[in-house]
Amino acid sequence: DIQLTQSPSFLSASVGDRVTITCRASQGISNYLAWYQQKPGKAPKLLIHGASTLQSGVPSRFSGSGSGTAFTLTINGLQPEDFATYYCQQVNSYPYTFGQGTKLEIK
Amino acid sequence: VQLVESGGALVQPGGSLRLSCAASGFTFSDHYMDWVRQAPGKGLEWVGRIRNKANGYTTQYAASVRGRFTILRDDSENSLYVHMNSLKTEDTAVYYCTRGPSQYSIDDVFDVWGQGTMVTVSS
Repeated sequence: DIQLTQSPSFLSASVGDRVTITCRASQGISNYLAWYQQKPGKAPKLLIHGASTLQSGVPSRFSGSGSGTAFTLTINGLQPEDFATYYCQQVNSYPYTFGQGTKLEIK
Repeated sequence: VQLVESGGALVQPGGSLRLSCAASGFTFSDHYMDWVRQAPGKGLEWVGRIRNKANGYTTQYAASVRGRFTILRDDSENSLYVHMNSLKTEDTAVYYCTRGPSQYSIDDVFDVWGQGTMVTVSS
């Protein structure tokens, strides 16, 4: 199985900050990576697919990059509604797997 | 576009349960459908997938549920199901149904999610 390791697991930031979350795969997955945002008690929401394609309706302050084994999710200009937990997911091969999550908290 | 899960309950270890997911607002039959679960306070775990008719309704499962869970769909009813047998305490989780790709999708993505239904396995 492909393991995804996110870093950091916890991140404290302020409104207006630029933050970057990293996701590393245990083997190459080309660009078959997605990013999701989850708020407490809610279902995950798709942000990015194909490593860098912004899902329709997602604000442009979110961006994704990477290929192979190293990927990043960047949020430029944090807004209050962005404080949540973020997960990466690989869809390169079964079983599909998720990273352990990165909890973004208000500083 | 909406997915609504139902059927979550408290069940004893070794018991069985069927979860349902009702889809609306899109052409259900075009899409692969997946189940994803989340244990209390934990991360997301992919459970399994059922492909569409064009791909033979074939299925894929996580190793943790293979042989115990069966994913089915009824395109005439726009519904997705998961039959769960031999339940274990570690199956306790919120179960989400999600919309997978269709033949028109650029990427394999889970772009629509239900609100989830809670399954608790405990004596």
